[in-house]
Order: sequence, then structure tokens, then C-alpha cells
Amino acid sequence: KAGVTQTPRYLIKTRGQQVTLSCSPISGHRSVSWYQQTPGQGLQFLFEYFSETQRNKGNFPGRFSGRQFSNSRSEMNVSTLELGDSALYLCASGKGPGSENYGYTFGSGTRLTVV
Amino acid sequence: ELKVEQNPLFLSMQEGKNYTIYCNYSTTSDRLYWYRQDPGKSLESLFVLLSNGAVKQEGRLMASLDTKARLSTLHITAAVHDLSATYFCAGSPTGNTGKLIFGQGTTLQVKP
Repeated sequence: KAGVTQTPRYLIKTRGQQVTLSCSPISGHRSVSWYQQTPGQGLQFLFEYFSETQRNKGNFPGRFSGRQFSNSRSEMNVSTLELGDSALYLCASGKGPGSENYGYTFGSGTRLTVV
Repeated sequence: ELKVEQNPLFLSMQEGKNYTIYCNYSTTSDRLYWYRQDPGKSLESLFVLLSNGAVKQEGRLMASLDTKARLSTLHITAAVHDLSATYFCAGSPTGNTGKLIFGQGTTLQVKP
């Protein structure tokens, strides 16, 4: 059974640029959530999508956005990159509302470095 | 707003010893999750605790949940070097079940 696939694994961008990260959840899972992990702030929730709709949103500026497609794949976009956006971005795959007891499976992450 | 705090943040222990990681949370949480992260790797799900008094065990790890005290514990029995990793607990705010709020993480170093 394929796991959660995140692409790319590593990315180096320049301040001011924008970036798009991709996450393909486990087959049959319809919920995708995104987290940012940094040494200083730890793991922080960005947003969650289910059936192409954003269900939850964390406390991040509007430069961070996401979407989900009909095949449950999700993308997150960060515009006008800042040095502080350098982080490991993790996506988590879940079955969706009512199935949280099964937990969430995380992908390997995308390591973004902003220079 | 749900806040999750772990202690200790760093734990160095000898192989064969027992220890407990504590996870306190500030308001009600629908469920409590424990994850493991190896350096440079992603998060591996360990346990999902659903209700008061829940206890789950896998190998040398045992997790429990006390919803009245808003406390979960991860107990390590007879630690081995392979358990060296960072352990995170996470809660999900009531009504926002797709959102996980993580503790700071506890880095466990098991010395031979």
C-alpha cells in the first residue's frame, strides 16, 4: 500500500519567490492537512482539506494557501517567500471526518530553504 | 485554545532503565496522539488514545490517557538504543478534529 507522497523532497528558493508543494495522500484517504516544522516553533498546523474544501486553518499569514483536487491530492503555495519560511513542510493523510480514530499518516516532508 | 506541553524536553537514559514522558493539555481534546520522529525523518504514528483510562502498548512503549487530569503519559520500559528519537504528543481541539496541536517534543537519547 503506497504511503503519503510529498514532492519535491528538497527545495531552495530565493526571498520574494513563490513555491508550490504537492502531497498525494494514501489511496482512499480524503483528508489532507499541512504542518510546518521549524526548530524554533516546532510543529504548527497550517490547514486541512477534505473533499476539496478547507475545513480548518491555522494562524499563518495569507501568503500561505492551499487547495485540494478531486483526486484528493493537495498543493500548498507560499508566495513572497521570507527567510523565516525555511522549514520542513509535512502533510498528513487521513480518512476524513468520523475516522479520526484511525489517526493520520505523515509524508516524508519537503525541506524548503529560502536564501 | 488548546495548548499541549510535554516534559521533559530532553531525556538521556541508560539502556535497561524505565522512564515516563508527560503530556499535559489545556482544554478538552477529542483524542490524543503519540508520534515518533527520527532525525531528518517524518512522523511515525505510535498511538491514538480515545477515551479516559485508555491504555495502549506496543513493545516497550505504553501510552495512557487521563482526561480528567488532561494528562497523557508515554512509558518506556527497559529502554534500548533503538528507541532513541523525538516523541511528540498531539491533541485535537474539540470540534476541529482534523487539526492537531503538537507538544514541543521530547528528545530521548538511550545510551548503551
